[in-house]
Amino acid sequence: AQKVTQAQTEISVVEKEDVTLDCVYETRDTTYYLFWYKQPPSGELVFLIRRNSFDEQNEISGRYSWNFQKSTSSFNFTITASQVVDSAVYFCALSEARTGFQKLVFGTGTRLLVSP
Amino acid sequence: DTAVSQTPKYLVTQMGNDKSIKCEQNLGHDTMYWYKQDSKKFLKIMFSYNNKELIINETVPNRFSPKSPDKAHLNLHINSLELGDSAVYFCASSQDQGISGRDTDTQYFGPGTRLTVL
Repeated sequence: AQKVTQAQTEISVVEKEDVTLDCVYETRDTTYYLFWYKQPPSGELVFLIRRNSFDEQNEISGRYSWNFQKSTSSFNFTITASQVVDSAVYFCALSEARTGFQKLVFGTGTRLLVSP
Repeated sequence: DTAVSQTPKYLVTQMGNDKSIKCEQNLGHDTMYWYKQDSKKFLKIMFSYNNKELIINETVPNRFSPKSPDKAHLNLHINSLELGDSAVYFCASSQDQGISGRDTDTQYFGPGTRLTVL
């Protein structure tokens, strides 16, 4: 069965520090998709990134970067030079191709607190 | 330009009542979803509809009945509300229903509806 583990419940950093949020997943499928979503204090869920299982190329978007490693079933998210506005709960999610349908399985989330 | 909208944003009601949450998307997507986020922030899919047809039903109590009048709307009706139904309910949509290998299967979420059952 598919499963997503975000072992870090809460992380506190000071502004401008770099921080990495860990995500480890389990799946029996060879084709799957990984996602990160951000939930700021206002409560909405904001899509950040989607990654295919066959594309292990790392991605950078501004201060955000993602490290996908199939060998360790991990899809970690790094924020460089964190800012107070980065304070949020971040969710990693997995969707398997073999189900035929989009069905996101979420991790339990990591709460990031960035203090000034 | 709201992409996925939900009404109401907050809903406070008594046990035993029946209530509905509405969801609309203006993205032209074919597939819509309902997720429940509990008090511990855990998100779990409840239902998925594609072009008004139910495609995923995740063993949700039959007190919950989704209704899709057209592919831009997916409403959630809850009968005989219980204390345990208190949660944040999120609606989402995606272009495709299946795993397409393209970005069209990315789900975009609404702002959520916080339901409190007293």
